[in-house]
Amino acid sequence: TQLLEQSPQFLSIQEGENLTVYCNSSSVFSSLQWYRQEPGEGPVLLVTVVTGGEVKKLKRLTFQFGDARKDSSLHITAAQPGDTGLYLCAGARGSWGKLQFGAGTQVVVTP
Amino acid sequence: EPEVTQTPSHQVTQMGQEVILRCVPISNHLYFYWYRQILGQKVEFLVSFYNNEISEKSEIFDDQFSVERPDGSNFTLKIRSTKLEDSAMYFCASRKLAGASTDTQYFGPGTRLTVL
Repeated sequence: TQLLEQSPQFLSIQEGENLTVYCNSSSVFSSLQWYRQEPGEGPVLLVTVVTGGEVKKLKRLTFQFGDARKDSSLHITAAQPGDTGLYLCAGARGSWGKLQFGAGTQVVVTP
Repeated sequence: EPEVTQTPSHQVTQMGQEVILRCVPISNHLYFYWYRQILGQKVEFLVSFYNNEISEKSEIFDDQFSVERPDGSNFTLKIRSTKLEDSAMYFCASRKLAGASTDTQYFGPGTRLTVL
C-alpha cells in the first residue's frame, strides 16, 4: 500500500506566524485534496489541486501541487486562532477516484 | 449550498447485531463512497459505488458489509453482524463526475458507531 505521509504531525504557533504543512508520497495522484476536520465531524473540503505545479490560494492559505503530482504543501500566512484544526491531505487514484488519506497535521494557533 | 447528510449521528449496538447507516448524497452526484475512521487513526476507504453497483472495495469491506442505493436519494451501508472492531466514525462521500478535475469528494458529518 502506497503511503501518504504528512508532516509535521503537530504544529503549535503564535498568532501572526506563518506555517507550512507537507504531504508526500512515492505515488502519482490524479488530484490531491486538502480537508480540515474538527473533532467528531466529517472532513470539510478546502481545495482540490489537479495539475502538476498548480498553486491555489484561499485567503491566507496557499496550496501547491508538486510538478510530479506526488506531493503537496499547505502554507498559512499570518495564522489566526481560527485556523486551529486538523488538516488532512488526500490523494485520488484509480478510475473510481478513491481517496488515500494522510494521518493529518494538528495545528494549534495561540493568541 | 448542497451537502451530504448522514443518519444517525451516533449508533450504539450490541456485538453481533446488524446496523444500517444511512446517507443522502448531494443530489446531482453520481459517485458514492464510504470511508471509516477508527479513533486516532487515518480515514480509510471502504467502498465506491457507481451506476448501482460496487466499483471498488478495500480489504476491510468483507462479506459482512454491503451497500445499497434503495431509491434515488439514499445510500446505505449495512454491517450484518457487528464486531467490536467495527467501532469507528463512518463517513459517506459523493462526487459529481469522472475525471481528475472533478475528483473532489464531499463528505458527510459522519455516524459514530459504537459496538458493545
